[in-house]
Amino acid sequence: QKEVEQDPGPLSVPEGAIVSLNCTYSNSAFQYFMWYRQYSRKGPELLMYTYSSGNKEDGRFTAQVDKSSKYISLFIRDSQPSDSATYLCAMSDNFNKFYFGSGTKLNVKP
Amino acid sequence: DADVTQTPRNRITKTGKRIMLECSQTKGHDRMYWYRQDPGLGLRLIYYSFDVKDINKGEISDGYSVSRQAQAKFSLSLESAIPNQTALYFCATSEGTGVNEKLFFGSGTQLSVL
Repeated sequence: QKEVEQDPGPLSVPEGAIVSLNCTYSNSAFQYFMWYRQYSRKGPELLMYTYSSGNKEDGRFTAQVDKSSKYISLFIRDSQPSDSATYLCAMSDNFNKFYFGSGTKLNVKP
Repeated sequence: DADVTQTPRNRITKTGKRIMLECSQTKGHDRMYWYRQDPGLGLRLIYYSFDVKDINKGEISDGYSVSRQAQAKFSLSLESAIPNQTALYFCATSEGTGVNEKLFFGSGTQLSVL
């Protein structure tokens, strides 16, 4: 069983839609949760990070962590064509190593 | 200029050849990492280094070796390339500060082994 499972998509939505991206994990020691965005032929860039359960909001993006269910989500409101990318969830227990999901490819149609 | 620079951007080679991928950073970070990315498998850690004298194997180190020439430079070598090493390779750095730990990635090297 992989440490981090991520819905593979691809996901195609119309501009303005609310997007929900999700990951589950098996290691209860994970305490640091991140979302990376990766454009085609680019390296991943950090989008959101959170250290605990609950919600964290940044503009149109909201990261949600439910440690009891070992489930994290990223919500994108009012999605834009520029949000089209692959989104990777990542987790760490002691900051020495990071464990990544396989990524969800998102396409936002104008 | 990019903070984390990888060279080359693309490389095509033949089975059995020795290949070196290079990474340099201007962020002043002590920690450096090499990952490979394959469709459906996400990012997998090959090697990581917390400083010039500290190098550690990741989850898929077989067939790879690394060299940390300086704080700013971390090279990945494939001693005898094989086709299943065809992948997108990323170098990354981090500060190693704990709660606000972040990984900063280069733009990647697409390697094809024929």
